[in-house]
Amino acid sequence: DIQMTQSPSSLSASVGDRVTITCRASQSINNYLNWYQQKPGKAPKVLIHAASSLQSGVPSRFSGSGSVTDFTLTISSLQPEDSATYYCQQSYSTPPTFGQGTKVEIK
Amino acid sequence: QVLLVESGGGLVKPGGSLRLSCAASGFNLSDYSMSWVRQAPGKGLEWLSYITSTGTITSYADSVKGRFTISRDNAKNSLQLQMNGLRGEDTAVYYCAREITIFGELISNYFDPWGQGTLVTVSS
Repeated sequence: DIQMTQSPSSLSASVGDRVTITCRASQSINNYLNWYQQKPGKAPKVLIHAASSLQSGVPSRFSGSGSVTDFTLTISSLQPEDSATYYCQQSYSTPPTFGQGTKVEIK
Repeated sequence: QVLLVESGGGLVKPGGSLRLSCAASGFNLSDYSMSWVRQAPGKGLEWLSYITSTGTITSYADSVKGRFTISRDNAKNSLQLQMNGLRGEDTAVYYCAREITIFGELISNYFDPWGQGTLVTVSS
């Protein structure tokens, strides 16, 4: 199975800050990398697919980059509603696997 | 509105069985592959099982292989997960999710949407 490792596990930032979360795959996954946002008590929601494609309806402050094994989710200007846990997921091979999550808190 | 609604969760004793259902609305279930994903309390996301649009191909995580069975009834726009031999470590919120595959300049494959989840608690 492909292991997905996110860093950091948690972070605290102020409104307006630029936030970066990284995700590393244990082997090449080309661009088969998705990012999800999950708020407490809610289902995950896709933000970015294919490493850098912004899902329809998602604010443009969210962006994704990377390829092969190293990927990044960036929030250009953190907003209060962005407080959530973020997961990366590889869809390159079965089983699809998720990172352990990054909890983003607002200072 | 595209919607997935899970049902069937509850409290079950170790070794027991439970059948989860996922009702789809706002789209034709028969056009999509579907998956089940779970999340143990306070933990991350774990993919469990996948079924193709026609139901001819299924796949399972090692953690549930031989105990869980995925199925679908496209005529009823419904997905199921039969869970047998339940263990304490199966305690989790169970989500159904639609698989989206886009063929373009980049190939995308991701889960969207997810249902709201149904809680399964395995305890004596």
